[in-house]
Amino acid sequence: EPEVTQTPSHQVTQMGQEVILRCVPISNHLYFYWYRQILGQKVEFLVSFYNNEISEKSEIFDDQFSVERPDGSNFTLKIRSTKLEDSAMYFCASSVFRDRGFGELFFGEGSRLTVL
Amino acid sequence: GENVEQHPSTLSVQEGDSAVIKCTYSDSASNYFPWYKQELGKRPQLIIDIRSNVGEKKDQRIAVTLNKTAKHFSLHITETQPEDSAVYFCAASRGGNQFYFGTGTSLTVIP
Repeated sequence: EPEVTQTPSHQVTQMGQEVILRCVPISNHLYFYWYRQILGQKVEFLVSFYNNEISEKSEIFDDQFSVERPDGSNFTLKIRSTKLEDSAMYFCASSVFRDRGFGELFFGEGSRLTVL
Repeated sequence: GENVEQHPSTLSVQEGDSAVIKCTYSDSASNYFPWYKQELGKRPQLIIDIRSNVGEKKDQRIAVTLNKTAKHFSLHITETQPEDSAVYFCAASRGGNQFYFGTGTSLTVIP
């Protein structure tokens, strides 16, 4: 069964450093997402991406964040200058719309980011 | 934006009993309500979903009900088994890109 894959599974970084989290969505999916989950809290939407551009983003997704689909298979989340509060599990997800816009989200296993 | 509240945050039931998890939402335009199960250390996975033109949906031991007027929806698990132990998240969406998740319910099924 096809899966969304994410790397790295865990990254530790110093505050102020840049981090890139990588995802390979399921190949025939059209929409890609990043969510984050701070330990013990809810899963929060960051951004969605369709047709090589951002389609929606939340207030969390400020200028420190960017996304890219550099080569047609990878989907990356970059955090330019990490802050302590960026420590969280970051989930990539993908979906393919069907039936008037309803699509199951398929999540990756997550990348745990720890900012020291 | 949408606000999804989920209760309870933790739930313990004896094996074989039923478990009910409730969510409320604020945006009357939301029309798609999935439930995700996240086992420890694993990714969230869809277990059941319901659209706003339906009041109830069942899949074996799992059912979801939706009350559009009251803006709440519930997950019902009957004949619970130890493998049902996990964190369950409800979510609401307008059928577009953005899914709003509840805070999660940690379900423990005691053998």
